[in-house]
Amino acid sequence: NAGVTQTPKFQVLKTGQSMTLQCAQDMNHNSMYWYRQDPGMGLRLIYYSASEGTTDKGEVPNGYNVSRLNKREFSLRLESAAPSQTSVYFCASSDLGRGTQYFGPGTRLLVL
Amino acid sequence: AQSVTQLGSHVSVSEGALVLLRCNYSSSVPPYLFWYVQYPNQGLQLLLKYTTGATLVKGINGFEAEFKKSETSFHLTKPSAHMSDAAEYFCAVRAGGFKTIFGAGTRLFVKA
Repeated sequence: NAGVTQTPKFQVLKTGQSMTLQCAQDMNHNSMYWYRQDPGMGLRLIYYSASEGTTDKGEVPNGYNVSRLNKREFSLRLESAAPSQTSVYFCASSDLGRGTQYFGPGTRLLVL
Repeated sequence: AQSVTQLGSHVSVSEGALVLLRCNYSSSVPPYLFWYVQYPNQGLQLLLKYTTGATLVKGINGFEAEFKKSETSFHLTKPSAHMSDAAEYFCAVRAGGFKTIFGAGTRLFVKA
């Protein structure tokens, strides 16, 4: 039981490049989330998926897109990376809408 | 709308001393409240949570928190700090829907 896994662990991009961050969970959870973590700002919700087949914007969705590929997988795409998107990205999942969230180890992204 | 305020971005205690990390929240509906811990280069993991019922909640590693509705607070305490408690701690609130709001975090330093 791996919990929540994220790939890659670390990535360097040039401004304007695109990339997809992958997330998978093996806990049969319905809900999945993408957050970014910046110093002094806690975690901010980018997008979430309450259940398979649905996605909704969070607090800071601009510049990102998501895909809930199936119940296990939820990917985050940066179409044209900007330096302001330099951050640590965390994926999380939960079994109930108001339940505990389980986090992946994070992806550190540097945009030059 | 919900919000979370953590008082103090950094807290330093001596080993064996009381740990007190403060959290105040705002919510228009009965909240679910959480404390998460983040060790360096890792994702967040749940310390404890309050949903309903007993207002004093015990978590892992000797931590506990008390939900005080009148004060809209959910402070985290541990009677005796250990070096291994050094980490960043996040208070979070969930009130309706699927979104969780995180505080900015408090980094705990433990001095030998």
